Amino acid sequence: AQSVTQLDSHVSVSEGTPVLLRCNYSSSYSPSLFWYVQHPNKGLQLLLKYTSAATLVKGINGFEAEFKKSETSFHLTKPSAHMSDAAEYFCVVSPAMGGYNKLIFGAGTRLAVHP
Amino acid sequence: EPEVTQTPSHQVTQMGQEVILRCVPISNHLYFYWYRQILGQKVEFLVSFYNNEISEKSEIFDDQFSVERPDGSNFTLKIRSTKLEDSAMYFCVSLGVSYEQYFGPGTRLTVT
Repeated sequence: AQSVTQLDSHVSVSEGTPVLLRCNYSSSYSPSLFWYVQHPNKGLQLLLKYTSAATLVKGINGFEAEFKKSETSFHLTKPSAHMSDAAEYFCVVSPAMGGYNKLIFGAGTRLAVHP
Repeated sequence: EPEVTQTPSHQVTQMGQEVILRCVPISNHLYFYWYRQILGQKVEFLVSFYNNEISEKSEIFDDQFSVERPDGSNFTLKIRSTKLEDSAMYFCVSLGVSYEQYFGPGTRLTVT
């Protein structure tokens, strides 16, 4: 079975400091992994995805994530937080590379950014 | 950039009533999905749809739910007799050629 665990339900950072949102996954297959962001009262926007190419994946708005198979982790980072980064972030696994499989969401991490 | 659209943005209905949530996926996409997010909870898969058939459905997707693509463009989710616990944000998704799932903005369903 596939699952995703987001290790922090809330993360609070100061503007200009680094962001780290942690995610561990479990998958029987070589998975595809994603990070989505949801701003208040908005839909879900894809930040980045890993599909077996480079293990360090760069996304939009300065975010990146590193796939570490040995640690079954896919943590999301950003060197310098901006006020506009405040949102809910979801780590997502799809059971196999590519394909049309359903997405399995983590519980989400709410990121707060303080001035 | 093409996008998935959903109507209505907010639907309020009484318990026991039927509702139809509508979606217009991105043209030339072939796979479609519905997900839902109960307030404060994680996003959950409901159903996937391909070639006018359900490909996979979750335990949530019981006999009260149905999907169809009546005219080759719209993709609908019907709930026959709504329950209080059906209150949630419902997201329509279509799958692109790069296997990227494009989410619509969602329909907030409130059952009273």
